[in-house]
Amino acid sequence: EAGVVQSPRYKIIEKKQPVAFWCNPISGHNTLYWYRQNLGQGPELLIRYENEEAVDDSQLPKDRFSAERLKGVDSTLKIQPAELGDSAVYLCASSGRDRGIEYEQYFGPGTRLTVT
Amino acid sequence: GEDVEQSLFLSVREGDSSVINCTYTDSSSTYLYWYKQEPGAGLQLLTYIFSNMDMKQDQRLTVLLNKKDKHLSLRIADTQTGDSAIYFCAYRMDSSYKLIFGSGTRLLVRP
Repeated sequence: EAGVVQSPRYKIIEKKQPVAFWCNPISGHNTLYWYRQNLGQGPELLIRYENEEAVDDSQLPKDRFSAERLKGVDSTLKIQPAELGDSAVYLCASSGRDRGIEYEQYFGPGTRLTVT
Repeated sequence: GEDVEQSLFLSVREGDSSVINCTYTDSSSTYLYWYKQEPGAGLQLLTYIFSNMDMKQDQRLTVLLNKKDKHLSLRIADTQTGDSAIYFCAYRMDSSYKLIFGSGTRLLVRP
């Protein structure tokens, strides 16, 4: 079974430029998460989707960050414009649900963003 | 509040046991996890434990949970050089399914 797929793996951009990250979750997983991991820290949740609905985006900086999950499968996270402080690893995770019980989150390899 | 504390670094000799400790604040969490992260890679789920359990063993891994003290530990028996990585403790908030992570413990296994 394929795991969570993310692209690109690495991205270097200048500040004020836009950037987008793509995630394809594990097949059959209805829940999709975007986390940000700063250097030397654990991941922090940005947004959680149940199918195509964003059910928790309370920690997404909405002035510059946006996300979508059309058709409830793939997801895209966008930053426009990027700032120096956005340099981090952006991780996508997915989990399945069975009879109301949500199971473990599986993570992709991440996209390492460097803003110069 | 949401908080997970881990020591930053652990160094052990190959073949010895490693014990990585974690304390957390949310006593209502049902699930607690250990993830492993190798350089340049995503997080790999190692194991998890339900909050109504005291111990879980999975091959070389033993997880101990002291719910009263909100203390979680991961013991790796016969530690190998391939176990060198960063280990993250995390708990899942029951209300939102959000994972709250510690800052990670870097394990270095010396030959």
